[in-house]
Amino acid sequence: GNSVTQMEGPVTLSEEAFLTINCTYTATGYPSLFWYVQYPGEGLQLLLKATKADDKGSNKGFEATYRKETTSFHLEKGSVQVSDSAVYFCALSLEKLVFGKGTKLTVNP
Amino acid sequence: NAGVMQNPRHLVRRRGQEARLRCSPVKGHSHVYWYRQLPEEGLKFMVYLQKENIIDESGMPKERFSAEFPKEGPSILRIQQVVRGDSAAYFCASSTLQGKETQYFGPGTRLLVL
Repeated sequence: GNSVTQMEGPVTLSEEAFLTINCTYTATGYPSLFWYVQYPGEGLQLLLKATKADDKGSNKGFEATYRKETTSFHLEKGSVQVSDSAVYFCALSLEKLVFGKGTKLTVNP
Repeated sequence: NAGVMQNPRHLVRRRGQEARLRCSPVKGHSHVYWYRQLPEEGLKFMVYLQKENIIDESGMPKERFSAEFPKEGPSILRIQQVVRGDSAAYFCASSTLQGKETQYFGPGTRLLVL
């Protein structure tokens, strides 16, 4: 079946540190890949997406590249801010969205 | 443009009562999805609906849970005879097309069963 595995948190960083959250997937077809972010007490917001191999999604300084050969979609940001503190979900979509378990990020000033 | 609307945002029920959760999709979206999020966990797919039709309910518990998306009005997720284990956040999402298209999420309904 289709599944998503992302690195377990929590992740704690200092402001301006480099962020990587690993995400790998298993799929029976060629899915679209997504990163969603959830701030405390809120719903999920789409952060970025990629629809085919080698596509790079980017938004608000975050990037992720669809790597078919390694079935990965790692999230990166060069310099995190306190306001980036949230839970990040990697997901794939074929017929429906399948989510990873989420990675909680805390950025300290 | 209004996003996905869900109400109520918070719902408290006693065991055995009914919970009714509403979702209005983005205007023009005809595909609606319901997900459940247990504390400290990711989202689990429950059901996928188009107008007046249930397309995929493979994630829905077989008993007590039902969903509809009528021709007019919001989608409804109904939980009968709630139990404490139903306490969770329930999120609705909508999209223009099914499959790989981006789903846009509502703020969720947080159900607490006492």
